[in-house]
Parts: sequence; structure tokens; C-alpha cells
Amino acid sequence: IVLTQSPDSLAVSLGERATVNCKSNQSLLYSSNNKNYLAWYRQRPGQPPKLLFYWASTRESGVPDRFSGGGSGTDFTLSISSLQVEDVAVYYCQQNYERPFTFGPGTRLEIK
Amino acid sequence: QVQLQESGPGLVKPSETLSLSCTVSSGSISDFYWSWIRQPPGKRLEWIGDIHYTGTTKYSPSLNSRAAISLDTSRNQVSLRLDSVTAADAAVYFCARSPVTTYSKNGRDHIWPGAFDSWGQGSLVTVFS
Repeated sequence: IVLTQSPDSLAVSLGERATVNCKSNQSLLYSSNNKNYLAWYRQRPGQPPKLLFYWASTRESGVPDRFSGGGSGTDFTLSISSLQVEDVAVYYCQQNYERPFTFGPGTRLEIK
Repeated sequence: QVQLQESGPGLVKPSETLSLSCTVSSGSISDFYWSWIRQPPGKRLEWIGDIHYTGTTKYSPSLNSRAAISLDTSRNQVSLRLDSVTAADAAVYFCARSPVTTYSKNGRDHIWPGAFDSWGQGSLVTVFS
């Protein structure tokens, strides 16, 4: 499964909204449980990725509610409602619908 | 809170075997899947393979059967062995944990790895002669 992300990079003003898109070349929705096998991660420089969302829209414990995840099937979004300095990072989507598990190429989020 | 720490040689020669360990502390290896994931410089993350705590392993075909993942429950460690390394294997190697989730198919429940909810700091591996 190939994941693509858009944009490659994004510059947003502090307090403004940022949206990252992830598209899969096949559906990540498993019909028997109605779950999308798509996760989002944030990776700050020199650090490992940190899980933000799983099942496309379930927020990991401790993740601020300014972050939201959505979408279904082949198209997904990660949004930050009000950008903070600590949100500067690369954001990756990842599918665990089938092995080999794959990641998107990443979207670099910067402050304008 | 569980902590994962990778360890191993930072330098490997071409054609030799890379061996890395991941020590799990403040948590048990049981009841989870454990993966190795790598990130070549400036490239996207690549899943190498995983092991269920019962010992079942799965690998990415892209590694051409060069990878082997094992568990040592007595030491709470997950290990990776990668044979016949080349320059293309240079990367930061992460170990990561996934919870066990379930799904139903044909009236039966099956287990499946969830998202990667805990990661080690990563171990940089350089390949050079």
C-alpha cells in the first residue's frame, strides 16, 4: 500500500489552522469493524515519531485537542486548529491495514 | 510508562551482519507486538518486521529474507539481525511497540497489530568499509 501526503511542506502563522492530507492507493477501511487502519505521527528533529491518532480519528492519550484526525477509505486529514511553536515537526501517516506496514513521505510543518 | 532503548554497534562493514537490541523497561514484552522500523537519512520511515510476544514473526519482502527478529523474555529484549548489509541499510533503527487488537473474519476473531504507540530513541547505523 502506497501512501502519499500533501503538501510536502507547509508554513502557517502561529494561531492559524494547519491541515495535512494523506491519500492511500487502496481503501484502509475494514468493513467488518468499520475501522480505518490509519495512524498519524509527529516527529520532531532528533526524536522518534510520536503517535497522535490511530483508527484515523482516535486521539492518543495526552495529545492536545487542537489536533484532529479525520477521513475514511482512501483520504485522510490531520488538522491543527491553532498552530503552536511546539507543533513544528514532520508529520507522517501510516497504514496498518496490511503488511508490509507503510508510511507516507511526511509533511514538514513550519511557522510562517 | 514503558521505555524502549536500542543498542548495538554504530558501524557495520558491507556484507557483514547488523545486530541490534531493544531493551524494554517499566513494562512487559507480553501482550504486545514489537516492530523494527528504520529511517534512512532524509527518507521516509520503513517497517522492517514485527514479532508477536508468542514468537510469530512477519517481515517486509523488501528485505529479501535478510532480517530476523527475536524476543528474549528473560531480559525483556527484542533483537534484530540483518544479514549482508550494504550502504542502503544505513539508517536510524527504531524499535516500536504495538498493542494487540482484534478483528472478526468469517465468524472468528483474529489478532492484529495496532499503531506504534511507543518508540525507542533510535540507533544510528553507518555502513562503511
